[in-house]
Amino acid sequence: NAGVTQTPKFQVLKTGQSMTLQCAQDMNHNSMYWYRQDPGMGLRLIYYSASEGTTDKGEVPNGYNVSRLNKREFSLRLESAAPSQTSVYFCASSLYSGSSYEQYFGPGTRLTVT
Amino acid sequence: GENVEQHPSTLSVQEGDSAVIKCTYSDSASNYFPWYKQELGKRPQLIIDIRSNVGEKKDQRIAVTLNKTAKHFSLHITETQPEDSAVYFCAARINNYGQNFVFGPGTRLSVLP
Repeated sequence: NAGVTQTPKFQVLKTGQSMTLQCAQDMNHNSMYWYRQDPGMGLRLIYYSASEGTTDKGEVPNGYNVSRLNKREFSLRLESAAPSQTSVYFCASSLYSGSSYEQYFGPGTRLTVT
Repeated sequence: GENVEQHPSTLSVQEGDSAVIKCTYSDSASNYFPWYKQELGKRPQLIIDIRSNVGEKKDQRIAVTLNKTAKHFSLHITETQPEDSAVYFCAARINNYGQNFVFGPGTRLSVLP
């Protein structure tokens, strides 16, 4: 049981390049999330998917797109990277039920845009 | 929308002392309040949580209290140990479809031996 996995662990992009961050979970969770973490600002929600087939914007969605490929996988795409998107990106998942709201986080992707 | 504030931003305590971190939220509809611990270079991990129908919850040296009227909740760590040193985040779940969470900015706790 790997939990939540993310690839890649590190990435350096030039301004204007595109890339996709991959996330997968093997806990049969319904909900999945993408956060970015900047120093002193905590975790900010970019997009989330309450269930397979649905996605919604979070607090900071501009410059990003997501795809909920199936129940296991939730990807985050940067179409044209900007230096302001330099951050650590965390994927998370949770079981959407009346008894459990706990979010499980992946190990993170450290992205630098030059 | 929901706004979560967290204080203090940094906290240093002597080993064995207690530490208290406080968070306030703005949306009275929020109904679930988790606390996460993040060690340097690692992922956040849930340490304790509380629902809006409960005033206090305890798990060994860690406790969380919730005051719904004042819209604030606090993390209490007793008998602190060096391994408690980390960044702690509070969060509030917005009571809407999809489990939207808003996190506080974090508190860096240092436990001095």
